[in-house]
Amino acid sequence: KNQVEQSPQSLIILEGKNCTLQCNYTVSPFSNLRWYKQDTGRGPVSLTIMTFSENTKSNGRYTATLDADTKQSSLHITASQLSDSASYICVVSGNYGGSQGNLIFGKGTKLSVKP
Amino acid sequence: KAGVTQTPRYLIKTRGQQVTLSCSPISGHRSVSWYQQTPGQGLQFLFEYFSETQRNKGNFPGRFSGRQFSNSRSEMNVSTLELGDSALYLCASKETDYEQYFGPGTRLTVT
Repeated sequence: KNQVEQSPQSLIILEGKNCTLQCNYTVSPFSNLRWYKQDTGRGPVSLTIMTFSENTKSNGRYTATLDADTKQSSLHITASQLSDSASYICVVSGNYGGSQGNLIFGKGTKLSVKP
Repeated sequence: KAGVTQTPRYLIKTRGQQVTLSCSPISGHRSVSWYQQTPGQGLQFLFEYFSETQRNKGNFPGRFSGRQFSNSRSEMNVSTLELGDSALYLCASKETDYEQYFGPGTRLTVT
């Protein structure tokens, strides 16, 4: 069964600290993996998209890694800020473009950054 | 370019009623997808429209339907509302095969 599991479910860190969020998937065939940030009451915003051949991709203080062999991805946040408080959703695409029907969503990690 | 817009932003309905939600995609985007988001299930795919045709459909009952107009604007309709339909309904549009852009969502509460 195609699944995307994220851990932890929630996380509290102090401002300025780093953190790493995990995403494990069993989706096959694999096309790409995306990380989204969703602020409370708003739609998700894309942080990174990685295809099979990409191991690391950065977007400012956000760095995503992908190990297609172990089917694991991580999102590392450096020097966290209060504005990083949000839910982070891992999404895996199981086809090669086109239809959205094969997007498998994780349930997200809720990150709270405290001053 | 303006982002994806959804109306209304908040809605309260009574069980048994029907509701119509609207989505205006980013200009030039021909694909519009709809998602339901609940705390317990996360984001779940409802359907996708491309050039007025439904391209794919998720595992939701027939009470959930949608359509897309020639200007790419899309509507989704839920008939005979149930308490479990309370959720954030998100619309997303895209131009390429990879990147999609989400709207702010419509928060539907069924009482």
